[in-house]
Amino acid sequence: ETGVTQTPRHLVMGMTNKKSLKCEQHLGHNAMYWYKQSAKKPLELMFVYSLEERVENNSVPSRFSPECPNSSHLFLHLHTLQPEDSALYLCASSQDLLRLRGTDTQYFGPGTRLTVL
Amino acid sequence: GESVGLHLPTLSVQEGDNSIINCAYSNSASDYFIWYKQESGKGPQFIIDIRSNMDKRQGQRVTVLLNKTVKHLSLQIAATQPGDSAVYFCAEINSSGGYNKLIFGAGTRLAVHP
Repeated sequence: ETGVTQTPRHLVMGMTNKKSLKCEQHLGHNAMYWYKQSAKKPLELMFVYSLEERVENNSVPSRFSPECPNSSHLFLHLHTLQPEDSALYLCASSQDLLRLRGTDTQYFGPGTRLTVL
Repeated sequence: GESVGLHLPTLSVQEGDNSIINCAYSNSASDYFIWYKQESGKGPQFIIDIRSNMDKRQGQRVTVLLNKTVKHLSLQIAATQPGDSAVYFCAEINSSGGYNKLIFGAGTRLAVHP
């Protein structure tokens, strides 16, 4: 499809659990992103990575911990989440950070639907 | 679908009619705008873009209009089809922080009825 895959597609976890979301892009891109999509804020940027270096942490609580081991993979580690963290978590990639024009736009994965009980 | 649950304005149209989806943006300095389509179970997908030095851009069955005076974008879909049913987001480029990032609007749900 878009060249960006996310696993799992659905996740249910308790507030004391620790889980991780995985994103992989097969596009040779250098920048990767995590977004949160919920009823309150449809598309909210969380983290931005460029060449495995984090360049943005958009005031995200520390219970969300991103990891980018290489330019093709991005993880979001979750621990002691709250019910209000239930949302769709979307990963995206782009060729780099500097353009985002035309075909240099962001390509999104299908998302992970997270439910926190 | 993955966008179910979003409390969004909904535009309902008959199949074959034209659709117009509107969006207001916030930053008068923004110079590039994109429309994305999010179908059920999928992430947002690029539809069409427009630079601020243009008023109009046409694609296949879609047209984007930009009115910089009132900071308004619209997406026109001709001969709307059932496959056009989705949530549509506008996005503007924000260059604060030394790099480009997309700022998304709230979205509009398009429902196409046969």
